[in-house]
Amino acid sequence: DTAVSQTPKYLVTQMGNDKSIKCEQNLGHDTMYWYKQDSKKFLKIMFSYNNKELIINETVPNRFSPKSPDKAHLNLHINSLELGDSAVYFCASSQVARGHEQYFGPGTRLTVT
Amino acid sequence: AQRVTQPEKLLSVFKGAPVELKCNYSYSGSPELFWYVQYSRQRLQLLLRHISRESIKGFTADLNKGETSFHLKKPFAQEEDSAMYYCALVGAGNMLTFGGGTRLMVKP
Repeated sequence: DTAVSQTPKYLVTQMGNDKSIKCEQNLGHDTMYWYKQDSKKFLKIMFSYNNKELIINETVPNRFSPKSPDKAHLNLHINSLELGDSAVYFCASSQVARGHEQYFGPGTRLTVT
Repeated sequence: AQRVTQPEKLLSVFKGAPVELKCNYSYSGSPELFWYVQYSRQRLQLLLRHISRESIKGFTADLNKGETSFHLKKPFAQEEDSAMYYCALVGAGNMLTFGGGTRLMVKP
């Protein structure tokens, strides 16, 4: 039983394209997140979202947008892809009332050519 | 603004040697800190959190508010401890601010 899953695992695309990464959690958590891990392994929060509030890291370009069709899903849409968007993107979830432990997905490696 | 600093990008030790991975933070409120670990080809997972004051896989970490540190320690390193370790601080929106990570290599 996979707790947090992401698709696709690998994504190779060209500059200028629009792409989406899907994330699903089956833990019944109320909050989901997207993180970006660059080539130097730096991990940075992009978004935090529950059904009431979206919090955006101010450094994230507005080409990136999270979309949540329901509590179990938080998809990441990226418009007009740039070379610098190449990274590994991690989805995570948590149940805030039970403390701050976050459960991470396996990551999606995005390569922009 | 909150910040987490891990001064060592790479730490290489021999099996059986003590290990200390350093973490310093800056935060205006009362901090809640974590250590996450990423083994090769695996997802990021929680190792321990300061409020639990527990020992996981032989690792411990003590919050030192005076020195604003949360160093991770293990008295005897094992080869299976080789991984990427991230110190993290939770802030607004339950978002984690991560340090830059330290790669621990335990040599046989």
